[in-house]
Order: sequence, then C-alpha cells, then structure tokens
Amino acid sequence: QKEVEQNSGPLSVPEGAIASLNCTYSDRGSQSFFWYRQYSGKSPELIMFIYSNGDKEDGRFTAQLNKASQYVSLLIRDSQPSDSATYLCAAEGSGTYKYIFGTGTRLKVLA
Amino acid sequence: GAGVSQSPSNKVTEKGKDVELRCDPISGHTALYWYRQSLGQGLEFLIYFQGNSAPDKSGLPSDRFSAERTGGSVSTLTIQRTQQEDSAVYLCASSYGPGEQFFGPGTRLTVL
Repeated sequence: QKEVEQNSGPLSVPEGAIASLNCTYSDRGSQSFFWYRQYSGKSPELIMFIYSNGDKEDGRFTAQLNKASQYVSLLIRDSQPSDSATYLCAAEGSGTYKYIFGTGTRLKVLA
Repeated sequence: GAGVSQSPSNKVTEKGKDVELRCDPISGHTALYWYRQSLGQGLEFLIYFQGNSAPDKSGLPSDRFSAERTGGSVSTLTIQRTQQEDSAVYLCASSYGPGEQFFGPGTRLTVL
C-alpha cells in the first residue's frame, strides 16, 4: 500500500513567522510531488509542485524534496492569517497517473 | 468552461437509492479523476480516466460504485444502493497529462 504521511496538526505559528509543513512518502519510484491548499469547505488548489531534489521557490513558498529520505516539505515565509488552511501533500505513483494524497496538515496563523 | 464543474452541488438521498454524480472537466484535459473526502479526512482516490478509458479502478470501494466517461469529456460516478458510509464530498479533478490537477467544487452526498 503506497502511502503519504503528514502530521494532522494543527500547526500554530504567529503572523510573520515561517511555517514548516512536512510529508513523507513510501513509494520510492514516485517522481512528482505536489502541495495543495484547502480552505474549509472549499476544494484543493495547487500551491507548488516539485520534481527534482533540492529547493524550489515561488514567492513566499519554498518546496523542498529529498528523494533519498523520501521527504517533502513546504515552507511558508512571512505567514499571514490568510494562509490558515489545510495543506495536502500528494505524490504521483511511479509510472502511473495515480496520485496519493496525505490526510493534510491544518495550519493556523495567529494574528 | 473556465473550470471543472460538478453537479449536483448537494445531494440528499435515502439509504438504498442509486445516485449519479456528474463532472464536466476543463476543455482539452485528457485526464479526469474522482476522489472522495470524508469530514476532516484527506482525499481518497477512487478512479481516473485517460481519455475514455479507466486504467486504474483500484480505488473504487465496492462493486456498488461505477464510473464512465464519454467523448473524452463528461464523467458520471454512479453509486448503487447507497449506504450511510457513502456520505462524503465527492471531488472531481482534471489535468492535461500528468501534473497539476484542477479540482471542481465537489458534490456533498448525504445518505439518510
């Protein structure tokens, strides 16, 4: 059973701080990884995707991938109350179009 | 259309009835996915289509669940003889090949 694991949280950070969200995956063949943000009662929307080892930055968001450790993370700099949401990590199953989602980490940014 | 649409947005049904959920993907998107999300849970993969064919049906919870896609566009998820444990939000997503999936607003199914 291929799995993606996340800490359910809530992760509480003060406004302006860095929020660090982590994810591990079991399928060593997975090549593509995605972070989705889901506000309560809404559908997920893509924040970042990453394919290569290392860091990928987009504005306040940085995705980090370490394939050797099977670990993906998302850093949110200068966290804002509007960043409060559930963040879902997803891994693409090796050689398939199937995506395995984690159960999500709930982030609370305190004003 | 501008995005993925799903209908109905809400469906309340009685245990034992059949329901059909519809998904209209973004025009030109070849891949279409169905997920289920129970309250406070992550996304549970149900099935995906590449064109009209479904290479992976492994996520369908039971033989009461079926899905089809016609014309490489609209997809219908059918649940027969609904049970209370089928209550959840059913999300559809589409993508142009592997990569970013665009999600619809979901159908909230309540089985009484």
